[in-house]
Amino acid sequence: QSALTQPASVSGSPGQSITISCTGTSSDVGAYNYVSWYQQHPGKVPKLMIFEVSDRPSGVSDRFSGSKSGNTASLTISGLQAEDEADYYCSSFTRSTTVLFGGGTKLSVL
Amino acid sequence: QVQLVQSGADVKRPGASVKVSCKASGYTFTGYYVHWVRQAPGQGLEWMGRINPNSGGPNYEQKFQGRVTMTRDESISTVYMELRSLIYDDTAVYYCARARRRGSIGYDFDYWGQGTLVSVSS
Repeated sequence: QSALTQPASVSGSPGQSITISCTGTSSDVGAYNYVSWYQQHPGKVPKLMIFEVSDRPSGVSDRFSGSKSGNTASLTISGLQAEDEADYYCSSFTRSTTVLFGGGTKLSVL
Repeated sequence: QVQLVQSGADVKRPGASVKVSCKASGYTFTGYYVHWVRQAPGQGLEWMGRINPNSGGPNYEQKFQGRVTMTRDESISTVYMELRSLIYDDTAVYYCARARRRGSIGYDFDYWGQGTLVSVSS
């Protein structure tokens, strides 16, 4: 299976909002509301930021939000902060009962 | 508190095997599936498979079928991932991760091990 498609990089200024897209197919993103987003700082372990398309784990800032339309999911970060600079990965459950990750997006806070 | 503690870094020759352990604590070991995810240097995350710590039943990503074995030892709350016939492209950090939802086969992961660097080098 090919990885979910994410932009390689996005950038924004402090205080702005950015959106990262994650495009799959009707066999993964479009099939279930089981899309997750992870944040990974350099040399660190991935951290779950969004699960089941739009739910946030306890402790994750409400500046992070998720949505989905058809085969494309999105992560929006509002009120960008310097600490948000990291790599972001989407993932989706698939009809094959596997988990598929996106290629990752590097977020730069200018 | 929930913790997943993995074994240390390892260096292997091409063609060899590596076995990484992941010791769980702070929760009911048999209640949550454990998954394995790897990350090659400078690359993205790649799902390898999962194991049901209750039954021991594994499911593997097709790419790794025949080369990977996931097992568990319930008595010490530890899961293992063995990868055989290593090639240079298997050089990566290998993570174990717990499925967020109890009893679910898992599609999102709330706790991760610290990662184990496996280097394949001649």
